[in-house]
Amino acid sequence: DAKTTQPTSMDCAEGRAANLPCNHSTISGNEYVYWYRQIHSQGPQYIIHGLKNNETNEMASLIITEDRKSSTLILPHATLRDTAVYYCIVRIRVDSDMRFGAGTRLTVKP
Amino acid sequence: GAGVSQSPRYKVAKRGQDVALRCDPISGHVSLFWYQQALGQGPEFLTYFQNEAQLDKSGLPSDRFFAERPEGSVSTLKIQRTQQEDSAVYLCASSLRQYNEQFFGPGTRLTVL
Repeated sequence: DAKTTQPTSMDCAEGRAANLPCNHSTISGNEYVYWYRQIHSQGPQYIIHGLKNNETNEMASLIITEDRKSSTLILPHATLRDTAVYYCIVRIRVDSDMRFGAGTRLTVKP
Repeated sequence: GAGVSQSPRYKVAKRGQDVALRCDPISGHVSLFWYQQALGQGPEFLTYFQNEAQLDKSGLPSDRFFAERPEGSVSTLKIQRTQQEDSAVYLCASSLRQYNEQFFGPGTRLTVL
């Protein structure tokens, strides 16, 4: 699986959009981009995934660049409950496991 | 509906003791995964089951670690002769098929003294 690079930490003001970047320059054509988050003392929670088209669900939007070498997770109106570690994972869809990195620690401030 | 549950939530063991950690996946989920998460790091894959078959155990750190899922539902991760470096949160996840999104349990925090 391709490796991902994320900033170690980010801050965001409550009510504003949180934009979390991820670099995955070695991604191959059959690999998906997945995002999970982990709130303190809980297991990781699935957010969204995509292949090459932008995706949106009730939690977030995923913007993937045309060359697929990077992506951005957007939380449109961050709340204090969105404070968590966010993991960007590149994964071949038929693979069994996921390789987590260190993630980005997002802190939403009032 | 009920999510993935794990028990115990916390376990303290003396070095050298054996421990057993339990995972109850979401009903009907075929795939089950175990991960180990050290403090301040992301989860690391340990092993994967499809129904009762253990298809991948490449992440198990030593032969002291053993996992089973005899009836294709509940799974147990056993660690023999625990050592201090085994201290971590052990996460279980399940999915409908191997390529679907995984649903994680709250984890078991193991502390080896």
